[in-house]
Amino acid sequence: DGGITQSPKYLFRKEGQNVTLSCEQNLNHDAMYWYRQDPGQGLRLIYYSQIVNDFQKGDIAEGYSVSREKKESFPLTVTSAQKNPTAFYLCASSIGGFPNEKLFFGSGTQLSVL
Amino acid sequence: EDQVTQSPEALRLQEGESSSLNCSYTVSGLRGLFWYRQDPGKGPEFLFTLYSAGEEKEKERLKATLTKKESFLHITAPKPEDSATYLCAVQANSGNTDKLIFGTGTRLQVFP
Repeated sequence: DGGITQSPKYLFRKEGQNVTLSCEQNLNHDAMYWYRQDPGQGLRLIYYSQIVNDFQKGDIAEGYSVSREKKESFPLTVTSAQKNPTAFYLCASSIGGFPNEKLFFGSGTQLSVL
Repeated sequence: EDQVTQSPEALRLQEGESSSLNCSYTVSGLRGLFWYRQDPGKGPEFLFTLYSAGEEKEKERLKATLTKKESFLHITAPKPEDSATYLCAVQANSGNTDKLIFGTGTRLQVFP
């Protein structure tokens, strides 16, 4: 079945540590996104990519980095510069470019700070 | 400032008790409104897209409607399996820039 796979489901970060969240899709979608979800807030866009080897900052990109070396993969690195990383992170993809078309989401990664 | 507001924050219904969820928006250049369902610990799942005032979409017990200022998600005779958080998102065009703005969601609980 086609879909988006995020891993790990749960992740713990120590002070000063960078961590990487994985996102893989087999939907053959061009566009991929990373959102952050905090309790009581709407989803906020971190980064998006409309094509391989290109990506754009979203509304809250500070402290995060991404790469898009393959169409299927869009990993997110949460760097030590992100001082409040605890959140539920969602990867998504769409057939068309940002921000058009409906989004297909993965099951998310819950990141917590030790 | 572009804004999307969902109400109520939480809603408890008895099985079979119909109700509506509201998504009001103040944006420039509405290009589309989306409804998603999100189960606990999971990613949102797409339900509907509405593009213009007066448009309606239906799926099983759910019906979405759109006016110039708000959208309603009507739930007819809900079942416990309809329990979830329902998210609204608005695609807007402001200053030649497109963006997608999510509301904070309505958490629905349906009791047998």
